[in-house]
Amino acid sequence: ETGVTQTPRHLVMGMTNKKSLKCEQHLGHNAMYWYKQSAKKPLELMFVYNFKEQTENNSVPSRFSPECPNSSHLFLHLHTLQPEDSALYLCASSQDRVAEAFFGQGTRLTVV
Amino acid sequence: GEDVEQSLFLSVREGDSSVINCTYTDSSSTYLYWYKQEPGAGLQLLTYIFSNMDMKQDQRLTVLLNKKDKHLSLRIADTQTGDSAIYFCAEPNQAGTALIFGKGTTLSVSS
Repeated sequence: ETGVTQTPRHLVMGMTNKKSLKCEQHLGHNAMYWYKQSAKKPLELMFVYNFKEQTENNSVPSRFSPECPNSSHLFLHLHTLQPEDSALYLCASSQDRVAEAFFGQGTRLTVV
Repeated sequence: GEDVEQSLFLSVREGDSSVINCTYTDSSSTYLYWYKQEPGAGLQLLTYIFSNMDMKQDQRLTVLLNKKDKHLSLRIADTQTGDSAIYFCAEPNQAGTALIFGKGTTLSVSS
């Protein structure tokens, strides 16, 4: 248990569905991140939030929409996804932007 | 651009030493990290090294840093079957906003 909790652990959704991924950290960290992990590719940084403000959007398609209501919670809202969006989505948090990140266990997303 | 390169696979026998290699691009990185990912789990910080160090030892783990060649390695002594996992090398991106990772090295340990 790293102190970063992601729900759900597994999600199967159709291309026309709308769903949300949730991340919660109890570490008192100020920065939170969404990463995408696809097979045989490096982890891709998607979004960075620092003190609830989005500081980085790494050219992510608009069908992915992040939300950070407070420094402990991070959401990733999904709509009209494509099969190639199937991947493991990892949430992480850190004390500051360059400190070591603590990861959740991820949400395994399958788009059918 | 920023890039972290690792070999994809390593296979060793139980009891042997494992050496996982990584090359990185940003010479200004202050820290470099090794993460471990077990099946079905997220990434777990294994160890890190400050850029002004050449070597760091932590029990069975030894990290070697060659700043001139931008080469980082992780040595696991007396490798056990429980060490089977994917190992990621990581460095802060140039903007200092997040960590960037390599593709990961899958370590397979046979008994």
